[in-house]
This record gives sequence, C-alpha cells and structure tokens, in this order.
Amino acid sequence: QKEVEQNSGPLSVPEGAIASLNCTYSDRVSQSFFWYRQYSGKSPELIMSIYSNGDKEDGRFTAQLNKASQYVSLLIRDSQPSDSATYLCAVMADMRFGAGTRLTVKP
Amino acid sequence: DARVTQTPRHKVTEMGQEVTMRCQPILGHNTVFWYRQTMMQGLELLAYFRNRAPLDDSGMPKDRFSAEMPDATLATLKIQPSEPRDSAVYFCASVQGAGYGYTFGSGTRLTVV
Repeated sequence: QKEVEQNSGPLSVPEGAIASLNCTYSDRVSQSFFWYRQYSGKSPELIMSIYSNGDKEDGRFTAQLNKASQYVSLLIRDSQPSDSATYLCAVMADMRFGAGTRLTVKP
Repeated sequence: DARVTQTPRHKVTEMGQEVTMRCQPILGHNTVFWYRQTMMQGLELLAYFRNRAPLDDSGMPKDRFSAEMPDATLATLKIQPSEPRDSAVYFCASVQGAGYGYTFGSGTRLTVV
C-alpha cells in the first residue's frame, strides 16, 4: 500500500512565525509533489508544486523536496491568521493525498 | 477563471434513494477524478478517467457506486441505493495532463438520513 504521511498536528504558531509542515511518501517513482490548502468548508486549492530536489520559493511559501529521503515539506514564513487552514500533501504518482495538517496562526 | 463545476452543492436524501452527482471539468483537461472526503478517512480516491476512459475505480464500492463520463464535458457519480455511511463531501477534480496539479470543484455535500 503506497502511503503519504503528514505530521498529524494540529499545529499552532504565533503570527509572524515560520510554520513547518512535513510529508513523507513511500512510492520511490513519484515525480510530482503538490501542496494544497483547504479552508474549512471549502475545496482544496493548489498552492505549490515541486518536481526537483531542493527548494522552491513562491512569496512566503517554500516547498522543499528530498527524493532520497522521500520527504517533502512546506514552510510558511511570516505566518498570518489568514493562513489558518488544513494543508494537504499530494503525491501524484498514485494520486494520493495525505490526511492533512491543520494549521492555526494566532494573532 | 476556469473552474470545475459540480452539482448539486448540497444533497439530503433518505437511505435507499438514488443519488447522482455531476461534474463539468475544465475545458481541455483530459483527466477527471472523483474523491470522497470525510473527517475520519480524509480524501479518498474513488475513480478516475483519462480521455473519458475509466482507468481505475478500485476505490469505489462496486455494488452501489458507479462512475461514468458520457462526454468530455460531463462526469457523473451515482450511488444506488444510498446508505448513511455514504454521507461525505464528494469532490470532482480535473487536470490537463501528467505532472500538473489538480483543480477541484466546490464539492457536493451529501447527507443520507
């Protein structure tokens, strides 16, 4: 059974701090990795994609990928209360999503 | 903005009734997925189509669920007969090709009483 595991959370950080979200996966052939944000009662929204080892930055978001360790992470710098949501890691080789990590950013 | 359109947004039905959910994928997206989301199980893949051909429906209870894509603009998910344990949010998503992120519809919140 191919797995996508996320740190279970919930995760709470103060406004302005860095939030770190982690995900491991079991399928070594995966090439495409995504982070989705899901606000309560809404549908998942794509926020980051990463395909190569290393870091990819987009504004306050940084995705990190390490294929040797089968590990992908999302860092949110200068966290804002509007970042409070559930973050889903997705591994597209087998179209599986992690269970999600609920993030709360406290003012 | 291109979007995936799902109908209905909400559905309350009695146990044993048939439920049909519809999805219009983004024009030009060749792969369409059906996911179910519950608090306990998270996002579960039910079925998906590529170029309208069903590729995998192993996530669906075969005795009561069926998924079809009669044309490139419509995907359907049917439950017959429905049961209370089917209560969940059902999402449709589409993607333009391998390696791209999915776009999700707004979902159908199904309640079976």
